Amino acid sequence: EAQVTQNPRYLITVTGKKLTVTCSQNMNHEYMSWYRQDPGLGLRQIYYSMNVEVTDKGDVPEGYKVSRKEKRNFPLILESPSPNQTSLYFCASSFYGSTQFFGPGTRLTVL
Amino acid sequence: RKEVEQDPGPFNVPEGATVAFNCTYSNSASQSFFWYRQDCRKEPKLLMSVYSSGNEDGRFTAQLNRASQYISLLIRDSKLSDSATYLCVVNQRDSNYQLIWGAGTKLIIKP
Repeated sequence: EAQVTQNPRYLITVTGKKLTVTCSQNMNHEYMSWYRQDPGLGLRQIYYSMNVEVTDKGDVPEGYKVSRKEKRNFPLILESPSPNQTSLYFCASSFYGSTQFFGPGTRLTVL
Repeated sequence: RKEVEQDPGPFNVPEGATVAFNCTYSNSASQSFFWYRQDCRKEPKLLMSVYSSGNEDGRFTAQLNRASQYISLLIRDSKLSDSATYLCVVNQRDSNYQLIWGAGTKLIIKP
């Protein structure tokens, strides 16, 4: 089944404790992206990747890191999470310029 | 001015009625247009792409007006299951195929 998977789905952590949210897709998509969604603000892009070893900042990259060592994986890293990073996070993938497929989301709470 | 703007709603509509949403975009270089649907706390899913000549998929009709830079979504004979948030999305090829998302219009269908 074609899909984008994210883990964990839910995470409660404390300020400053490094965490990684994994994202994997099995559709051989070149393009992958991370979004955060907050009430009233819609989806905001954090980072995106055009292909392996090619990543670039989106609209709200501060406090986040990503890597793209393999085509299928695009982990999101929060080196020192803060409460303002409490949000719903989505990973997505697509072929260039095509419709995006989303993972089920990760609900993160930083205390 | 936001790049993609939508009326946040909510639109409260009786079952069986017809409802229409508009979405305006600011970048005239925008290439592709989509409507996504998002159920509460779930991932966005593609509802339909929007083509220059307009297109229909069952009860849903999408229109594009490049001169006025807006797209629209019409839902006929609305069902309770149509209750969701509808997201307007614009693709700009001149920005690495980055998708620009509207904040969404919430639709509530009432029995």
